[in-house]
Amino acid sequence: GENVEQHPSTLSVQEGDSAVIKCTYSDSASNYFPWYKQELGKRPQLIIDIRSNVGEKKDQRIAVTLNKTAKHFSLHITETQPEDSAVYFCAASIESWGKLQFGSGTQVVVTP
Amino acid sequence: GAVVSQHPSWVICKSGTSVKIECRSLDFQATTMFWYRQFPKQSLMLMATSNEGSKATYEQGVEKDKFLINHASLTLSTLTVTSAHPEDSSFYICSAPRTSGYEQYFGPGTRLTVT
Repeated sequence: GENVEQHPSTLSVQEGDSAVIKCTYSDSASNYFPWYKQELGKRPQLIIDIRSNVGEKKDQRIAVTLNKTAKHFSLHITETQPEDSAVYFCAASIESWGKLQFGSGTQVVVTP
Repeated sequence: GAVVSQHPSWVICKSGTSVKIECRSLDFQATTMFWYRQFPKQSLMLMATSNEGSKATYEQGVEKDKFLINHASLTLSTLTVTSAHPEDSSFYICSAPRTSGYEQYFGPGTRLTVT
């Protein structure tokens, strides 16, 4: 089955700096790669996603890149703000309505 | 946007008892729902896929006789933790995809504590 690895496990950045989280996946059949932000005790919130026919997607301060050949994808957050502090999970699935295999998560701390 | 609810939001039960958790899609029909478990400071682990009108599909290592799943209607799936033990204490989250859309919608989660 699919295996998703995520790095780093923790990331501390100064407010205004950029944050990058990287994930790799094993199943070449995966075609959908969402990123979730989860605050303590809350449900995961979809922040951005990308499909395999696209190499890059951007939404304001958040961007995701995908390299299908290398089977890795990354989340980029620019101009970080304290409210960006949370746990971020990458995930992979064969289709967007299918079961998700999550990465291990990255605790992001943005210090003012 | 689509809404998925869970009930209860938290529950405390004694070891050996059973607990039922409900997952409802409030404004759309969901032929499939997913159940995840999340231990503290860990990731979400898929437990099973709930299919309306048929048996659930369990992930490897998940005991089907311990975690009973029933998807009796297009808007409701239930997860029953039978003979609960302290090691079953966790955050249980369901998700449901729109059949015609591209996004999955997560429930708010249920915090189970077994004493």
